[in-house]
Amino acid sequence: ETGVTQTPRHLVMGMTNKKSLKCEQHLGHNAMYWYKQSAKKPLELMFVYSLEERVENNSVPSRFSPECPNSSHLFLHLHTLQPEDSALYLCASSQQGNSPLHFGNGTRLTVT
Amino acid sequence: GENVEQHPSTLSVQEGDSAVIKCTYSDSASNYFPWYKQELGKRPQLIIDIRSNVGEKKDQRIAVTLNKTAKHFSLHITETQPEDSAVYFCAARDSGYALNFGKGTSLLVTP
Repeated sequence: ETGVTQTPRHLVMGMTNKKSLKCEQHLGHNAMYWYKQSAKKPLELMFVYSLEERVENNSVPSRFSPECPNSSHLFLHLHTLQPEDSALYLCASSQQGNSPLHFGNGTRLTVT
Repeated sequence: GENVEQHPSTLSVQEGDSAVIKCTYSDSASNYFPWYKQELGKRPQLIIDIRSNVGEKKDQRIAVTLNKTAKHFSLHITETQPEDSAVYFCAARDSGYALNFGKGTSLLVTP
């Protein structure tokens, strides 16, 4: 049990599909994050939510749409993705301030 | 925004030797510097972190040093073991919420 649970672990979708990634944290944290990890690239920040409000949006295309209904849950809604969006999508949580991020196991996304 | 550079991208050492990974950052306001280890197919996990009011921190075989003037910090692993083989990421956080990561160092410890 990592404290941060992501589903599904693997997802294959066509370019015209709509799917959602889910993240749940059981650590009582008040900030949640989406990161994208591609081969040979650093972990790229996508979105940050603090106290359920989006506080950072790192120039992410609109085909990625985040949702944070409460401090324990975070979603990433996907639609009309491109093959280059294939990557590992990592969710993380932390307590606001200078505290470490705790990552989930990620969703391996393949866009065909 | 913060820019974190990490070197080397790959590092191969013999078991028992030391390994050093170096990172630089651009934003002088950065004040929190964690290191993560990611094994193949697994999530990144925090191994050690340091805050800007401290110059060095040690936890058993792992140590981190921070030079705020030069804006660089380093990870030191002593007496390396095969299970230390993984990708290591440095990161820095400024006054914002998010961590900005380096590109990672793939460490291979050969028996």
